[in-house]
Amino acid sequence: EIMLTQSPGTLSLSPGERATLSCRASQSVSNSFLAWYQQKPGQAPRLLIYGASSRATGIPDRFSGSGSGTDFTLTISRLEPEDFAVYYCHQYGSSPRTFGQGTKVEIK
Amino acid sequence: EVQLVESGGGLVQPGGSLRLSCAASGFIFSSYTINWVRQAPGKGLEWVSCISSSSTTYYADSVKGRFTISGDNAKNSLYLHMNSLRAEDTAVYYCARRSDYFDLWGQGILVTVSS
Repeated sequence: EIMLTQSPGTLSLSPGERATLSCRASQSVSNSFLAWYQQKPGQAPRLLIYGASSRATGIPDRFSGSGSGTDFTLTISRLEPEDFAVYYCHQYGSSPRTFGQGTKVEIK
Repeated sequence: EVQLVESGGGLVQPGGSLRLSCAASGFIFSSYTINWVRQAPGKGLEWVSCISSSSTTYYADSVKGRFTISGDNAKNSLYLHMNSLRAEDTAVYYCARRSDYFDLWGQGILVTVSS
């Protein structure tokens, strides 16, 4: 089973700042089959990025993903008020599918 | 509207059983793998089970032998039969679409296992 470790646990930033979230895998994620989700309190997760760097339908271009192998990054170029949430990475390159423990982006 | 809607959650005693349902609309249900993903209170996401478009089923080790996933293409619905429930099964259960990344999620349904 591939374990995903996200860092930092909490990121305290102000609107307009850049957010950089990390997801590290315990072994290589095949074909960069890694996704990122955003979750707000009381809501279901929402797909942001798949294939490490492809934005899902309707996702603003301030969200970008990068990485391969065992190291992946989600970048939010300029934080908007609605971006403060918890973000999860998810690998689907091998079974079982696994998630990281999440990074909370909070308002500083 | 393309959506998934869960139902059937609630409070159940340890050792008890419950059946969750997931109703799909707005897309061809039989063409997709559908998953169950759960989230314990204040915790992260855990994949639980899925059923493919060819009705092949898969389970996480934590629920294997206790949970059974099934689908009814005529009703565009997915089910999760949960037996021998434990306190650690307490969570919000989501159904989610696709076999790879999950592009569509239901709103979730709470299952509480407690005496």
